[in-house]
Amino acid sequence: GAGVSQTPSNKVTEKGKYVELRCDPISGHTALYWYRQSLGQGPEFLIYFQGTGAADDSGLPNDRFFAVRPEGSVSTLKIQRTERGDSAVYLCASSLGSSSYNEQFFGPGTRLTVL
Amino acid sequence: AQSVTQPDIHITVSEGASLELRCNYSYGATPYLFWYVQSPGQGLQLLLKYFSGDTLVQGIKGFEAEFKRSQSSFNLRKPSVHWSDAAEYFCAVGGNNAGNNRKLIWGLGTSLAVNP
Repeated sequence: GAGVSQTPSNKVTEKGKYVELRCDPISGHTALYWYRQSLGQGPEFLIYFQGTGAADDSGLPNDRFFAVRPEGSVSTLKIQRTERGDSAVYLCASSLGSSSYNEQFFGPGTRLTVL
Repeated sequence: AQSVTQPDIHITVSEGASLELRCNYSYGATPYLFWYVQSPGQGLQLLLKYFSGDTLVQGIKGFEAEFKRSQSSFNLRKPSVHWSDAAEYFCAVGGNNAGNNRKLIWGLGTSLAVNP
């Protein structure tokens, strides 16, 4: 079956612009996670959805970052007024349930470059 | 504070040699522990996980890991490395308490190179 997909695979934008990153989870997975991975670093948690609601958004770095999952499936990560420090690979993962023992399946990521 | 330490940034081994990648964690509660592999251009893939029970867990691709509570470690091992094992390896820890957040805390990763 299809895995987690993320679009676009690459996004280049200019400082100050607005971007949207999309994640299509595995069908039937109720939990969805966003992580950010900077060069040479491990993934950094951003936000986690259980269904349509954000169960934990403690990793969002500031109010320029926002994510939605209106129908409990596809999620969009939105970044306003992008800064060069936002450049990273943004990873999406989904899992069948919300417990930590449910394996998180990762997408290939969206590489964001802010010029 | 919750954290994961992977002391080795980069390791090079010869094909056929044994491998051990180190992982130490700091976590306030009983942890769930994971090893993921990230190959160039690929998404993160789960190798194995520990929740409870037998402290030696078997994973995919011939990998195993041993949970040692006294040392707060969860080292990854493979008896004989293949060239295709060259990748970035990440150790991660998560919570197992009801109501606890579900996020994973990740190490910085260990880059593995395999010499022919």
